[in-house]
Amino acid sequence: DTEVTQTPKHLVMGMTNKKSLKCEQHMGHRAMYWYKQKAKKPPELMFVYSYEKLSINESVPSRFSPECPNSSLLNLHLHALQPEDSALYLCASSQASPAGGGRGHTEAFFGQGTRLTVV
Amino acid sequence: RKEVEQDPGPFNVPEGATVAFNCTYSNSASQSFFWYRQDCRKEPKLLMSVYSSGNEDGRFTAQLNRASQYISLLIRDSKLSDSATYLCVVIVRSNDYKLSFGAGTTVTVRA
Repeated sequence: DTEVTQTPKHLVMGMTNKKSLKCEQHMGHRAMYWYKQKAKKPPELMFVYSYEKLSINESVPSRFSPECPNSSLLNLHLHALQPEDSALYLCASSQASPAGGGRGHTEAFFGQGTRLTVV
Repeated sequence: RKEVEQDPGPFNVPEGATVAFNCTYSNSASQSFFWYRQDCRKEPKLLMSVYSSGNEDGRFTAQLNRASQYISLLIRDSKLSDSATYLCVVIVRSNDYKLSFGAGTTVTVRA
């Protein structure tokens, strides 16, 4: 099973709303990612969790708040977003080797994404 | 300089043609390399990993040239269903699992 499941598939929210995006994988992967993708652009990294700890935050505004409750789940909490935050939000996971050791990184698998529209 | 650069294309080829394109990376500590395929409004899907010795999967061949710091993808006998954006992905070992994406190469196969 190489499936990463994201919910919801579509989300429309107002600028004062609070919502959460959810991501789940059961492949035993210990690295999980949030990416943002605008039309005709490649995915842009937002956050990386490795072994349930936040390891990379690509200077993402605080209105985006990630959470990793356990090794299978990754959430992205949204609050006070702007219309320019409208995009496809992709979750991904991969095997992870401890930094500085191991046989390297395996491929990442992506969820179908949440298409977010901020109105 | 961007970490990963790709020729954006588009490559517009007839069915049955061979198409090839490259991706260059700037960090010599790059460790793992992949090609992903992304269809319009869909998520990226792994096409193939790229190994040092080069590898082939059906009509697709990937090569890695560490000396010149590029990877390539060749598609033989193109099908209409090969039309997509192909994303080059590079992982630098010291960057704590960060996947760096190229901007993507668009391929359109016409009947």
